[in-house]
Amino acid sequence: AQSVAQPEDQVNVAEGNPLTVKCTYSVSGNPYLFWYVQYPNRGLQFLLKYITGDNLVKGSYGFEAEFNKSQTSFHLKKPSALVSDSALYFCAVRGDGQNFVFGPGTRLSVLP
Amino acid sequence: GAVVSQHPSRVICKSGTSVKIECRSLDFQATTMFWYRQFPKQSLMLMATSNEGSKATYEQGVEKDKFLINHASLTLSTLTVTSAHPEDSSFYICSATDMVEKLFFGSGTQLSVL
Repeated sequence: AQSVAQPEDQVNVAEGNPLTVKCTYSVSGNPYLFWYVQYPNRGLQFLLKYITGDNLVKGSYGFEAEFNKSQTSFHLKKPSALVSDSALYFCAVRGDGQNFVFGPGTRLSVLP
Repeated sequence: GAVVSQHPSRVICKSGTSVKIECRSLDFQATTMFWYRQFPKQSLMLMATSNEGSKATYEQGVEKDKFLINHASLTLSTLTVTSAHPEDSSFYICSATDMVEKLFFGSGTQLSVL
């Protein structure tokens, strides 16, 4: 069965510091991996995805994520956090011919 | 611009009335649409999966007679909350996918039932 884990409910980081939001997954076959961000009372916005190709994927708002097949991880990163990055982040995965599965979400707080 | 359009963004209704929420994929054909419910500060709860032209598949515990889903075309799905009650008040989000690599979300609908 497919599954996605975001081991941290909450991540706090100081503005200007690098941030990492973790995601690990389990699928059969090749994984399709996604990150979304949700601001308060808003829908989810697409940040980036990995389908094939380079393991390092660059996305919107300066975010990037690295696909690590051996560790079955797809951690979201940003070199320098902004207060405006504070939001709820969701990781999602889909295996070949399978449905999408979302992680429980990680709340990121960037402190000024 | 928005890839998936969801309307209305906010609706307030009286208890016992029905509310329809629309979800449209704007520039791709969505073979599958998902409907989620989200409580404050909580994750997404998948309510149902709808494939164009067929009946929706509801998750366990979701009343299909209360939450009617129609997916009549590749660009439109609707969720109708029938005989809404205050406990149905929530944030509802749709998403649309081509089941390959596109998965986009609507902006959400805040439903408040008085």
